[in-house]
Amino acid sequence: EIVLTQSPGTLSFSPGERATLSCRASQSVSGNYLAWYQQKPGQAPRLLIYGASSRATGIPDRISGSGSGTDFTLTISRLEPEDSAVYFCQQYAGSPYNFGQGTKLEIK
Amino acid sequence: QLQLQESGPGLVKPSETLSLTCTVSGDSIDSRSYYWAWVRQRPGTGLEYIGSILYSGSTYYNPSLKSRVTISIDTSNNHFSLKLSSVTAADTAIYFCARHGVARGVHFDYWGQGTLVTVSS
Repeated sequence: EIVLTQSPGTLSFSPGERATLSCRASQSVSGNYLAWYQQKPGQAPRLLIYGASSRATGIPDRISGSGSGTDFTLTISRLEPEDSAVYFCQQYAGSPYNFGQGTKLEIK
Repeated sequence: QLQLQESGPGLVKPSETLSLTCTVSGDSIDSRSYYWAWVRQRPGTGLEYIGSILYSGSTYYNPSLKSRVTISIDTSNNHFSLKLSSVTAADTAIYFCARHGVARGVHFDYWGQGTLVTVSS
């Protein structure tokens, strides 16, 4: 079973800055089958990135994903107040298709 | 625009069976390209994959829940369902239905809004 650890638990930035979120896997994620989601309070998660670096439909290019093997990164540039949310990574290389515990991003 | 909507009881007694339905609109559930899935989020914790079903009825489940989970599909009414048996307080969660592709792997591109199910006597 692949366990995903996200760090840090909480990040705080000002508008216009760049945030880097980390997701580390307990073993290699084959095929880079790693996705990122954004979840705002009271809402369902929203797919941002799949295949470690492919943007989902409608996701702006200031949001990007990178990484391979066991280390993956979500980068959000030119932060906006609307980016305040919890971000989850998820691996789908093997069952069970686990999620990370999330990183809360605060934009103040 | 594809929409998914969960429905079902918000309160279930311990040891009983949780039953939820996800109604899909804006597209046919009878597609060879997509699986239909359930994901839950327990209070204060992250997300947990439950299982998926294809139009044909082919399923796969999270091994940790497999002994208690049944997912079924009704293509004539464009909905699919979740049954989770022998529930305990640990099954209290927001339950989401979602869609993922067959070819591109198990990442979820459309989600329902979620429904809170509380297990309590």
